Amino acid sequence: DAGVIQSPRHEVTEMGQEVTLRCKPISGHDYLFWYRQTMMRGLELLIYFNNNVPIDDSGMPEDRFSAKMPNASFSTLKIQPSEPRDSAVYFCASSPGFGEQFFGPGTRLTVL
Amino acid sequence: AQSVTQLDSHVSVSEGTPVLLRCNYSSSYSPSLFWYVQHPNKGLQLLLKYTSAATLVKGINGFEAEFKKSETSFHLTKPSAHMSDAAEYFCVDALGSGTYKYIFGTGTRLKVLA
Repeated sequence: DAGVIQSPRHEVTEMGQEVTLRCKPISGHDYLFWYRQTMMRGLELLIYFNNNVPIDDSGMPEDRFSAKMPNASFSTLKIQPSEPRDSAVYFCASSPGFGEQFFGPGTRLTVL
Repeated sequence: AQSVTQLDSHVSVSEGTPVLLRCNYSSSYSPSLFWYVQHPNKGLQLLLKYTSAATLVKGINGFEAEFKKSETSFHLTKPSAHMSDAAEYFCVDALGSGTYKYIFGTGTRLKVLA
């Protein structure tokens, strides 16, 4: 298995633009997680899905952030409009159940 | 609120010497604890996990951790450091058994000197 796939690996955009981050979980994993990592706040859980349904989005910072999982093999995290303080590394992870989460390589987002 | 404390933000060891990365948790119930490693520009990889079956947990790459309830600790050790161990290490507690919300420690950056 190729593991969790994220795209793009790097994204540079200007303030106010829409940003879409993509994730393909490991086949057969029922859980998908989106995290954000910054120097100031460390790793934060933004949202997670079970069987394509959002279970807990309490970590989503504000309405500018939205996440979808239209099917078992694809999820997006969208920021609209983006702001410089959104600059971070965004990780997607998937899991077959309670226990290990398998992380993707991350998307490094820079908002100018 | 539940928390995970990694007592050292940076640790430096010489190659071939032991590694000790310290972690304390604050769960009032039986915790579910993990250690993850993150190499530069990579995602996180599971090193080991505590599942209450044994207090001494062995992981990959020669790492192990001991769960000590009396000290609310889950320290990570390795007898002999290798250059490839240089990375950031995260201690994680899940919010109660059966949940999926991880609480991450702030991380410990391990440097291995030649």
